[in-house]
Amino acid sequence: EAGVVQSPRYKIIEKKQPVAFWCNPISGHNTLYWYLQNLGQGPELLIRYENEEAVDDSQLPKDRFSAERLKGVDSTLKIQPAELGDSAVYLCASRLAGGTGELFFGEGSRLTVL
Amino acid sequence: GENVEQHPSTLSVQEGDSAVIKCTYSDSASNYFPWYKQELGKRPQLIIDIRSNVGEKKDQRIAVTLNKTAKHFSLHITETQPEDSAVYFCAASPGANNLFFGTGTRLTVIP
Repeated sequence: EAGVVQSPRYKIIEKKQPVAFWCNPISGHNTLYWYLQNLGQGPELLIRYENEEAVDDSQLPKDRFSAERLKGVDSTLKIQPAELGDSAVYLCASRLAGGTGELFFGEGSRLTVL
Repeated sequence: GENVEQHPSTLSVQEGDSAVIKCTYSDSASNYFPWYKQELGKRPQLIIDIRSNVGEKKDQRIAVTLNKTAKHFSLHITETQPEDSAVYFCAASPGANNLFFGTGTRLTVIP
């Protein structure tokens, strides 16, 4: 069974440009997360979806970040415009619905903003 | 929200020695405490977890202990091997499917 798939793995852009990251969770996983991981730090939650509904986006900087999960499967995280401080790894994770259990992470998308 | 603190930030041990990483959490509602291992450039992967209804769990060379009263939990790795070198993250879940991570411990096992 395929794990969580993310793309692109690496992205280099200039500041003020837009960027988008895509995530395909494990089949059947209703809960999807986007985390931000700065170098040497732990993952920080940006947004959590239950199916297609964003149930926790309190940490998402809504002035420049947006996310969607239109059909309750794949998800896209967008930054527009990107700033220097957005350079980080963006991790997608998924989990079966219904409470606690293992989060399965993707390989991450490493963003460098010049 | 939940605040998870993790210590130490770096840890070096000789091969064969034990390693201990400690975490504290703030939300008494947290009931699930996983530990993730992240090798350089790789995804975090679950290595062990514990729920609030038990005080200790062991899986071969790794064990986790939980003290709910003091709101702290620890990861113990015995007989460390070079392949244990990685960054380890603790996490706590106060329910509602959210998981909050510590800042990580970089473990280096010296052959």
